[in-house]
Amino acid sequence: GAGVSQTPSNKVTEKGKYVELRCDPISGHTALYWYRQSLGQGPEFLIYFQGTGAADDSGLPNDRFFAVRPEGSVSTLKIQRTERGDSAVYLCASSPERGGPRPGELFFGEGSRLTVL
Amino acid sequence: AQSVTQPDIHITVSEGASLELRCNYSYGATPYLFWYVQSPGQGLQLLLKYFSGDTLVQGIKGFEAEFKRSQSSFNLRKPSVHWSDAAEYFCAVGARDAGKSTFGDGTTLTVKP
Repeated sequence: GAGVSQTPSNKVTEKGKYVELRCDPISGHTALYWYRQSLGQGPEFLIYFQGTGAADDSGLPNDRFFAVRPEGSVSTLKIQRTERGDSAVYLCASSPERGGPRPGELFFGEGSRLTVL
Repeated sequence: AQSVTQPDIHITVSEGASLELRCNYSYGATPYLFWYVQSPGQGLQLLLKYFSGDTLVQGIKGFEAEFKRSQSSFNLRKPSVHWSDAAEYFCAVGARDAGKSTFGDGTTLTVKP
């Protein structure tokens, strides 16, 4: 498709389990972002990739969270030993190359809703 | 540290009435400002952005916003609201590449028929 695709759209898991959330960005977008949105709040920055490397991971809350983008396209957000407080909608966004014709615009996916029981 | 405040959690307007959603920001340098809309079941969509130049920016769907440096504000406006505008609106501030944008907590807009 033409937009950012995120799977699964919904994930219910038990406390302590491992979870992977996938993001497929818009073709040709070199920048990819993960945000987390808790109920009643705005999106909160987690991590930003430029190509294959994490350019800024300062928003990851702790070492249970990890993200990869091995080939510079699809990204996976991995959460180990999930906790109830991890329940949120995880948003992925992509952006054209920095300095390109539409700098600064984030194209968001519909998100993956994670519920930890 | 950068921050965004959207003072109104929920606003209700009648269809056809004008709309203004408030946004105040705190940012150490020249801010890059954005408004996004989030409709149920859909991803966030950019309405408009301000980088520099004319302080009144036009966006999609008939929205506009005005940057006022002296007030640290970037309020969103629309002269006549349509029922389809009912959604949640987020103001954000950040770097030019928007990589680490800071979002407000949003304003939910309800449109009365």
